[in-house]
Amino acid sequence: EVQVVESGGNVVRPGGSLRLSCTASGFTFDDYAMSWVRQAPGKGLEWVSTIYWGGGTNYADSVKGRFIISRDNDKSSLSLQMNSLRAEDTALYYCVRGVRGIIIASFDFWGLGTMVSVSS
Amino acid sequence: QSALTQPPSVSGSPGQSVTLSCTGTNSDIGSYHRVAWYQQSPGTAPKLMIYDVSDRPSGVPDRFSGSKSGNTASLTISGLQAEDEADYYCSSYTSNRTLIFGGGTKLTVL
Repeated sequence: EVQVVESGGNVVRPGGSLRLSCTASGFTFDDYAMSWVRQAPGKGLEWVSTIYWGGGTNYADSVKGRFIISRDNDKSSLSLQMNSLRAEDTALYYCVRGVRGIIIASFDFWGLGTMVSVSS
Repeated sequence: QSALTQPPSVSGSPGQSVTLSCTGTNSDIGSYHRVAWYQQSPGTAPKLMIYDVSDRPSGVPDRFSGSKSGNTASLTISGLQAEDEADYYCSSYTSNRTLIFGGGTKLTVL
């Protein structure tokens, strides 16, 4: 059974840093691109970042230069290092698996999410 | 890049068909066959219903179908059921190598 489980969410002050983690199981992790998608309270979905099987990365403009996505294929794990956090980064962060393909544009397995609150 | 445009709400009666729209631009929906649709019930994670405009993942009923014309994608749900009541989000790959979502449509089954 495919599973992705996020952790690391917390309350942090503006300007602070936080590292999210995601542990995957039930599939060959290094065969898939992985991404983070977030959802602010009561709002819609927002794609944050994708990392491909080979390590290539893409970021949303809203987080570029502040967030860093990484993966450890040996540990089947995904991370998101979030720096210079802002109030608008407050959201539930989902770890998601990309549907296989040259272009990663959809996500077939989602975790339950981990909550990040940025507040003074 | 602005979000894709979805109507805030749509409603239908059990057994009817409803179509949800998702409008983008020549830089996203109009240029790529990479549109997806997600269903999200309250308090749960989104579920992939359609990918690559019209493909259904295993386990998604064939009552759900997707299409695209120009810069607008559509999700049609036929034989509407009470369990289909949820929020629906579309997404598309973009020319900037990013992904954008729509604002979501709340589907109410009357």
